[in-house]
Amino acid sequence: DAKTTQPPSMDCAEGRAANLPCNHSTISGNEYVYWYRQIHSQGPQYIIHGLKNNETNEMASLIITEDRKSSTLILPHATLRDTAVYYCIVLGWPRSNFGNEKLTFGTGTRLTIIP
Amino acid sequence: DTGVSQDPRHKITKRGQNVTFRCDPISEHNRLYWYRQTLGQGPEFLTYFQNEAQLEKSRLLSDRFSAERPKGSFSTLEIQRTEQGDSAMYLCASSLAVGYTFGSGTRLTVV
Repeated sequence: DAKTTQPPSMDCAEGRAANLPCNHSTISGNEYVYWYRQIHSQGPQYIIHGLKNNETNEMASLIITEDRKSSTLILPHATLRDTAVYYCIVLGWPRSNFGNEKLTFGTGTRLTIIP
Repeated sequence: DTGVSQDPRHKITKRGQNVTFRCDPISEHNRLYWYRQTLGQGPEFLTYFQNEAQLEKSRLLSDRFSAERPKGSFSTLEIQRTEQGDSAMYLCASSLAVGYTFGSGTRLTVV
């Protein structure tokens, strides 16, 4: 699986949009970009994933550059409960064809929402 | 469906003792994963089951570690002769297709 690079920490004011970047310059054509977050003392929580088109769900938006070498997770109106470590992960699909069953976590970005 | 359940939430044990953790995945999920997480690090993959078959094990899973999923439902992770370096959060996740659902983990402290 391609490696990812994320800033170690970021701050965002409550109510503002939080934009979390991720570089995955070695991503290959079959690899999706996944985002998870981990709130203190809890297990990681799935947020969103995408291949090449921008994606949006009730939690966030995912913007993937045209060359797919980087992406940005957007939390449109950050709240204090969004304070967490955010992980960007790339994973091949379908899993059974590539033997890519496991998520490989880096150290993520620690996002702090400031009141 | 109450998500992925892990038991116990916390475990304190003396060095050299054996411990066993349980994971109950989401009922229709055929894939089950164990991860370990130490302070300040992301979760690290330990092992994975598809139904009852253990299909992959990490090098992190030493001979003192064993995992089972006997009927393709719940899973157990046993650590024999615990060491202080085993202190960590042990996370279980399950999956059917897209996305992985994690439990809240079992925090192990070896004293």
